[in-house]
Amino acid sequence: DIQMTQSPSTLSASVGDRVTITCRASQSSSTWLAWYQQKPGKAPKLLIYDASSLKSGVPSRFSGSGSGTEFTLTISSLQPDDFATYFCQQYNSYYGTFGQGTKLEIK
Amino acid sequence: EVQLVQSGAEVKKPGESLKISCKGSGYTFNIYWIAWVRQMPGKGLEWMGIIYPGDSETRYSPTFQGQVTISVDKSISTAYLQWSSLKASDTAMYYCARLSGSSLDYWGQGTLVTVSS
Repeated sequence: DIQMTQSPSTLSASVGDRVTITCRASQSSSTWLAWYQQKPGKAPKLLIYDASSLKSGVPSRFSGSGSGTEFTLTISSLQPDDFATYFCQQYNSYYGTFGQGTKLEIK
Repeated sequence: EVQLVQSGAEVKKPGESLKISCKGSGYTFNIYWIAWVRQMPGKGLEWMGIIYPGDSETRYSPTFQGQVTISVDKSISTAYLQWSSLKASDTAMYYCARLSGSSLDYWGQGTLVTVSS
């Protein structure tokens, strides 16, 4: 099994801040890494796929990078709508695995 | 517009069976895998398994192998998740989602399953 470890688990930040969330895989995941945003009571939404590709309609302040075992999600300038929980996910062509999530809170 | 519409909330007793559904529309249903994802109360996302509607090939995460059954009726563009004997620990929100490449690009609204005596 590939295990995905996100850090930090909780992040307190202010509107306008630049924030980075990290996801580490227990073994290489190539670039098959996605990032999702989830708000309370809602289904997750895809933000980034293939490690660095922005899904159509997602604001350009979101970006992803990395390959192999270490990946990052960066939000360049936090907006009020961005306070949510973020999950990474890898897929090994048989099944996927999610990170445990990072809750982004207002400082 | 791609849409995945899931069946409504369920309240069941331990030991009962259940089948929930996920109907796709707005795209060619048969050529995209459908995934099922569990989210227990206050917890993270867990990948349960995927099914390919074109030939019903199914792949389960090791945690869920033997615990649930994923099936599909491609004639009505609907995927299913079923349990033969529910436990209290099956209480969760269940999401279906479309797998595109290696990511889940469209999600259903979720089906809340509550198992309580």
